[in-house]
Amino acid sequence: QKEVEQDPGPLSVPEGAIVSLNCTYSNSAFQYFMWYRQYSRKGPELLMYTYSSGNKEDGRFTAQVDKSSKYISLFIRDSQPSDSATYLCAMSPNNAGNMLTFGGGTRLMVKP
Amino acid sequence: DVKVTQSSRYLVKRTGEKVFLECVQDMDHENMFWYRQDPGLGLRLIYFSYDVKMKEKGDIPEGYSVSREKKERFSLILESASTNQTSMYLCAGGQGASYGYTFGSGTRLTVV
Repeated sequence: QKEVEQDPGPLSVPEGAIVSLNCTYSNSAFQYFMWYRQYSRKGPELLMYTYSSGNKEDGRFTAQVDKSSKYISLFIRDSQPSDSATYLCAMSPNNAGNMLTFGGGTRLMVKP
Repeated sequence: DVKVTQSSRYLVKRTGEKVFLECVQDMDHENMFWYRQDPGLGLRLIYFSYDVKMKEKGDIPEGYSVSREKKERFSLILESASTNQTSMYLCAGGQGASYGYTFGSGTRLTVV
């Protein structure tokens, strides 16, 4: 079993839909949680990062962490075709980069 | 806007060649990383560096070495390229998980 699980998709939604992307994990020591967006043939781009449990909002994006369930989510409101990309979750037990563990990514397609 | 720049987007090399992948960051960050990304396997850490001339092995260091002579530059070296090293290589930099990490655009290496 992988340490971080993410449904690979593809997830196809109509423009304007609310999108929910999720990751589950097994290591209860994870404290730092990140979401990256990766367009085809590009490097991952940091979208949001959170520490410990709770919610964080940035424009159309909301990140949620539920440590009791070992579950994190990224919500995208009013989805746009430009949101079509692969979304990667990543998490770490500490501030050091060598412990960062990535999910395999979910491919999202937003259709006009 | 902070940047991580990888010198080549696409490379084709022959088996047995010594290959250098270059990465430069303009963020004055101590931490730099090299990952490879493969379908179904996600991102895997090859090496990271937390200071000039300092390096630590990641999860898959075999067949690779690194060099960090200056803070802004982190090089990945394939000592003798093999076909199983055909992959997307991603460089990243950052201050720590609490701030997230910035990735370069990636180098797609094909070894023939």
